[in-house]
Amino acid sequence: EPEVTQTPSHQVTQMGQEVILRCVPISNHLYFYWYRQILGQKVEFLVSFYNNEISEKSEIFDDQFSVERPDGSNFTLKIRSTKLEDSAMYFCASSESSIWETQYFGPGTRLLVL
Amino acid sequence: AQTVTQSQPEMSVQEAETVTLSCTYDTSESDYYLFWYKQPPSRQMILVIRQEAYKQQNATENRFSVNFQKAAKSFSLKISDSQLGDAAMYFCAYRSANSNQFYFGTGTSLTVIP
Repeated sequence: EPEVTQTPSHQVTQMGQEVILRCVPISNHLYFYWYRQILGQKVEFLVSFYNNEISEKSEIFDDQFSVERPDGSNFTLKIRSTKLEDSAMYFCASSESSIWETQYFGPGTRLLVL
Repeated sequence: AQTVTQSQPEMSVQEAETVTLSCTYDTSESDYYLFWYKQPPSRQMILVIRQEAYKQQNATENRFSVNFQKAAKSFSLKISDSQLGDAAMYFCAYRSANSNQFYFGTGTSLTVIP
């Protein structure tokens, strides 16, 4: 069964550095999402992406964050100038079409900012 | 904003027995979707079951069923004939009918006792 994959599984970075988290959505899916889960807290929506542009974003998704689909398979989340509070598990998800379809989640990237 | 509450951080069940996980939510919308996702240790979230708010009939998927009480804004998950492989973190989630954004509960960690 097709799965969403994410790399790396773990990332450690210094505060102020830029990180790029990578996701490969399921191949026939058209909608892509990023979520994050700070340790001990709820999974929170960051952004959804369709047709090469952001379709929705939450208040968390400020100018520090950006998303991109650089080619036909990858979907990336860039965090510029990381802060300690960016330490979290970041989940990518994809869905075949929009609001009627189930979102399939990747295994997550655990980001630790020191 | 919508909120999802899971009041049971941890639950346990004997193998082959039945367990019910609770979820309540708060919304002013009339059209929405509710989900239960399962996250086994170190693995990605997978969809267990979903319910459309406009449907009165409770969703069922094999050993998994829900008790959807729209007026009470309650959406509990019943797992029958529990198996060792059911041990996981279970997340209840809400999504508006006109948005891609999920709202998650804090999760319930289910232990299955052999």
